[in-house]
This record gives sequence, C-alpha cells and structure tokens, in this order.
Amino acid sequence: EVQLVQSGAEVKKPGESLKISCKGSGYSISNYWIAWVRQMPGKGLEWMGIIYPADSDTKYSPSFQGQVTISADMSNNTAYLQWGSLRASDTAKYYCASLMEVTSGWRHYNWFDLWGQGTLVTVSS
Amino acid sequence: DIQMTQSPSSLSASVGDRVTITCRASQDISSYLNWYQQKPGNAPKLLIYAASSLQRGVPSRFSGSGSGTDFTLTISSLQPEDFATYYCQHSYSIPKTFTFGPGTKVDIK
Repeated sequence: EVQLVQSGAEVKKPGESLKISCKGSGYSISNYWIAWVRQMPGKGLEWMGIIYPADSDTKYSPSFQGQVTISADMSNNTAYLQWGSLRASDTAKYYCASLMEVTSGWRHYNWFDLWGQGTLVTVSS
Repeated sequence: DIQMTQSPSSLSASVGDRVTITCRASQDISSYLNWYQQKPGNAPKLLIYAASSLQRGVPSRFSGSGSGTDFTLTISSLQPEDFATYYCQHSYSIPKTFTFGPGTKVDIK
C-alpha cells in the first residue's frame, strides 16, 4: 500500500529543538514534491513549505520562512521538518502530503493526493 | 497574494439534504482549485481537483464547479459519513504556492 508514515507525537519545552519525519512506504518520494501543512488546535490548514527530494529544491511559505527547515534524505525515502527553537505557538498537528502534478496543454495542475497521518507537536513548559 | 474565502463557515443539514459550499478567490485562478474533506482527528482527503474532477474512489454525490474566482462544492444527498469540515485550496505550479480556504464545517441538524 502506498502511504506516507509520519513519526510519533512529541512533547517538548520552549527553546528545545525538534525534527519530525515523513517516510514514503510502497513508493519512492524522490520524484514527488512533499509538502508540510500545519493545523493549530481547532484551526484550519496552513501550507508551510515543500521540497523536491531528488534535488532538495525547497520552497517556503513567507509565513514560515526562517521559522522551520525542510529537508529530505533519499536513502531513507524520508522528508523532515525541523525547528531550532520551539515556541508554545508551534503547538499543532503537522501533516506531510505528496503533490500530484498533471500538465494539460499549457495548464499545470497540482493537488495533494496522499497525506501522512499527522504528527502532534505539543510545546509546553 | 491570493486570498481564499469560504461560505458559509458552518452549516447544519440533515441526511439526504443537498449541500452547497462556496469558495471565492481574491483574483482569477482559472480552474486551479481543489477541495478536501477532513474528519476530526484525521488527515485531509482529496475530493475534487482542478475545480471539477472527481478523485478516484470518491462517491459521485460530490461534485465541483466554477472557474475564475467563484467555485462550488456540492453534495447532492448528504450521507452520515459526510459530516466533516471541507476546505478549498488554490494551488499554482509556477511559482509553487498553496493557499487553503478557512474551511466549512458541516454538522448534523
């Protein structure tokens, strides 16, 4: 079965660092853009950034640029999201998602067709 | 930046009802619009891509329409498993930008 499997829930203190993972299972993520999406408690979905594992090309949402780092390790078929210094406001559920891209004529469509199960990150003193 | 709005923010409906959710973009986005369903505690699930194409495995009671700035997700006959929150999403390939709407929660009347 093709799926994205995320690492388990984390409880951290403000100022600590953290790296969570998203591993492809049943397929290679190397040629698919992998995005990270934040969902704060009771709130909506926010796109954070996206990486193309084959060449590590990475794009960040302006809202998250400089706040997090997205990386990938093709040898492990895994993408990562990391923080250098967590804040209480980073408490959220984080999803990874794989981007499907289709070209029709001059139009380039894309959508997130495969999602991880989410990783809950709780930051509290 | 393109902003996405949805209306209503929530609605109450009964099983069998026809439900319509609207999504509006702050500027013309052609048909670069997707719809997702999210149930509590679960990851989002793709329903509709490119404004009107039904994702494989999604029941045909779901349909999407629209282009430009105004889009609609319709559930023709609401089923118990459809009570969830629905998000529209604008996505561009070049440059890569992905903007979600604020969501519409559909609950039981």
